Amino acid sequence: QQKVQQSPESLIVPEGAMTSLNCTFSDSASQYFAWYRQHSGKAPKALMSIFSNGEKEEGRFTIHLNKASLHFSLHIRDSQPSDSALYLCAVSMPSNTNKVVFGTGTRLQVLP
Amino acid sequence: GPKVLQIPSHQIIDMGQMVTLNCDPVSNHLYFYWYKQILGQQMEFLVNFYNGKVMEKSKLFKDQFSVERPDGSYFTLKIQPTALEDSAVYFCASSLPGRGQLYFGEGSKLTVL
Repeated sequence: QQKVQQSPESLIVPEGAMTSLNCTFSDSASQYFAWYRQHSGKAPKALMSIFSNGEKEEGRFTIHLNKASLHFSLHIRDSQPSDSALYLCAVSMPSNTNKVVFGTGTRLQVLP
Repeated sequence: GPKVLQIPSHQIIDMGQMVTLNCDPVSNHLYFYWYKQILGQQMEFLVNFYNGKVMEKSKLFKDQFSVERPDGSYFTLKIQPTALEDSAVYFCASSLPGRGQLYFGEGSKLTVL
């Protein structure tokens, strides 16, 4: 069964810092890797996704995937107080059921 | 962006009663999901649904749970009977086939007394 773990559990950084969030998964045949952000009491919203090994940058956000290491990460450049939220990584199951499993979550607080 | 609507936003019921949570997914989406989140922590997969049938369900999807989407209307999660441990926020999501991104509703907070 696919296991998706995140680290750290929580993180406090000053405004302007670089933030790095990590996600490990257990099945190298997984096909879809994404980060979602959830502000308190709100719906999770997709930030970025990647399907193959490598790196992808969109604005202040960069996602990096290494399937062989069963690891992907999210890096936030110039972190802002508005980035404070619960970050959830998501991995699709390598099957034809379209199941998407979420990680344990990292709670980020960016101090002004 | 695309919107998923969930009704009700909050429901309080007594243990043993039945509850139905409703989801209006994005109009052209074909995959539908229910997730359970307790205390703002991990989003736990319950079930997904495609073309009128359950594709996969987790161990959390107990026998008391059922899902359906009658005639293209709301995608519903029914719990009958409810238990105290069913108290949580239930999120509905939808997606297109082959496109991983899920679009979530704002959640239905269920409190079982």
